[in-house]
Amino acid sequence: GDKVKQSPSALSLQEGTNSALRCNFSIAATTVQWFLQNPRGSLINLFYLVPGTKENGRLKSAFDSKESYSTLHIRDAQLEDSGTYFCAANTGYQNFYFGKGTSLTVIP
Amino acid sequence: EAAVTQSPRNKVAVTGGKVTLSCNQTNNHNNMYWYRQDTGHGLRLIHYSYGAGSTEKGDIPDGYKASRPSQENFSLILELATPSQTSVYFCASGVDRGAGNTLYFGEGSRLIVV
Repeated sequence: GDKVKQSPSALSLQEGTNSALRCNFSIAATTVQWFLQNPRGSLINLFYLVPGTKENGRLKSAFDSKESYSTLHIRDAQLEDSGTYFCAANTGYQNFYFGKGTSLTVIP
Repeated sequence: EAAVTQSPRNKVAVTGGKVTLSCNQTNNHNNMYWYRQDTGHGLRLIHYSYGAGSTEKGDIPDGYKASRPSQENFSLILELATPSQTSVYFCASGVDRGAGNTLYFGEGSRLIVV
């Protein structure tokens, strides 16, 4: 089965509202990265996390290695937040395990 | 921020032809990776490298070769391209930050095999 499960798979948000994306891991992840794939197809680094939380502007992310999950919170969603969000877990070796992504559409 | 540059960005190839996708990174990262992205499959690892002269098989290496002639450059080679290799290919460089590795992606190369 999938080692990284992302939810929801798709989401529509009204501009200015908040939401949370989640990744659950069935592997012993030591670090997590979150990426945004924008409509042009570029994969943009959002966060690199060891267990704990990080915040950057309207985005906040948390990683709990004991409970095997990570979350990405989007506050005051803007049109430019639209795209597909991916999480990737690393176990300390070369392989990264990607979720299938959450497709986010922000509606004016 | 790591700078990873891929070329070509778009390519149309004929079945049976040879295709080389090139990747250059300027941040002196030891690790480099080639992924392909397909609808329904997400990102899948083809080959990766620990440094100049090394190449390792990823999860889906069949039909692909890789070459890492220097720290900066990592190529993906399709000796005999097939339509099933039509995809978007991403190169990434990576660094070990102690607790784990991190990835920095290039802009992607869209390959169509006809």
